[in-house]
Amino acid sequence: GESVGLHLPTLSVQEGDNSIINCAYSNSASDYFIWYKQESGKGPQFIIDIRSNMDKRQGQRVTVLLNKTVKHLSLQIAATQPGDSAVYFCAENIQWGGKLIFGQGTELSVKP
Amino acid sequence: GVTQSPTHLIKTRGQQVTLRCSSQSGHNTVSWYQQALGQGPQFIFQYYREEENGRGNFPPRFSGLQFPNDSSELNVNALELDDSALYLCASSPTRGEGGYTFGSGTRLTVV
Repeated sequence: GESVGLHLPTLSVQEGDNSIINCAYSNSASDYFIWYKQESGKGPQFIIDIRSNMDKRQGQRVTVLLNKTVKHLSLQIAATQPGDSAVYFCAENIQWGGKLIFGQGTELSVKP
Repeated sequence: GVTQSPTHLIKTRGQQVTLRCSSQSGHNTVSWYQQALGQGPQFIFQYYREEENGRGNFPPRFSGLQFPNDSSELNVNALELDDSALYLCASSPTRGEGGYTFGSGTRLTVV
């Protein structure tokens, strides 16, 4: 499958710092990308999305960057807060099937 | 939002299970995902207007139904130990356009 292993990559940051979470996607035909946040015991929660005709999109405290040349996505979180601690997944959407393909996930830990 | 039931379930190997999902109002597309511990969700299948509209790499013992009233079911026959996972339902306005809203999932344990 697209996600492997039991040990997620971990990013540990200090409260107030900026966080950058990276993701490599698999299919050059993907045209829609979404970042999800998943807290323990909950389903994935939508954070921000971007279409393939854009290379940057900003939301509240979050920015997504898309580099189609190297098939890379990043999520930037400004002024990270303890409530941002969670596992973050990128997902790509191939229009024909409508399914989401999820990346491995990164566990973000914010130290107060 | 999207609601799923039950939240937790324990079944014995070989049994059958039905998981239920109530989609967000106005969403005509529902997808089901399996999430093993420590991994990202894996696509099982998608239903659009009550017909299967895409399937992932899961055997036929995984089946589903979508009903006109924004509800859907995931059925798994002949349960195996490896079926233990979090099962997530996600709905969207139209075949993925506008993003997907996920439920909190059903934690299935097969013993």
